[in-house]
Amino acid sequence: EAQVTQNPRYLITVTGKKLTVTCSQNMNHEYMSWYRQDPGLGLRQIYYSMNVEVTDKGDVPEGYKVSRKEKRNFPLILESPSPNQTSLYFCASRVSGLASYNEQFFGPGTRLTVL
Amino acid sequence: RKEVEQDPGPFNVPEGATVAFNCTYSNSASQSFFWYRQDCRKEPKLLMSVYSSGNEDGRFTAQLNRASQYISLLIRDSKLSDSATYLCVADNPAGGYQKVTFGTGTKLQVIP
Repeated sequence: EAQVTQNPRYLITVTGKKLTVTCSQNMNHEYMSWYRQDPGLGLRQIYYSMNVEVTDKGDVPEGYKVSRKEKRNFPLILESPSPNQTSLYFCASRVSGLASYNEQFFGPGTRLTVL
Repeated sequence: RKEVEQDPGPFNVPEGATVAFNCTYSNSASQSFFWYRQDCRKEPKLLMSVYSSGNEDGRFTAQLNRASQYISLLIRDSKLSDSATYLCVADNPAGGYQKVTFGTGTKLQVIP
């Protein structure tokens, strides 16, 4: 089954404790992206990756890191989480970041709470 | 001004009603447009793409007006299962890739 998976789905942590949210897709998509979703603000892009070893900042990259060592995986790293990073996080992938009219496929989301 | 703007709602409509959502976008270079549906606490899923000529998929009709920079979604004969948040999305070429911008969503509640 074609899908995007994320782990963990739920996480409660404390300020400053490094964490990683994993994302994996099995569709051989070139483009992957991370979003956070907050009430009233909608989906905002954190980082994106056009392909292996090619990553760039989205609209709200502060406090986050990513890597793209393999095509299928795109982990999101919070080196020192803070309470303002409490949010619902979605990973997404699409065939290409270049072509128009190609659908984004989203993972099920990770609900993160930072105390 | 937000790049993609939607009325947040909620729109409360009875079963069987017709409901329309509008969405405006500010970047005239935007090339492709979509409506995504998001159920509560779930991931967004593509509902339909929006083409210049307008397109229909069963009870759903999407329209694009490039001159006025808005897109619309019409839902006919609303079902209880249509209750969800509808996200308007615009792609625009930015620095060599298609930047995706989401609206904040319009919430629809279909009432029995």
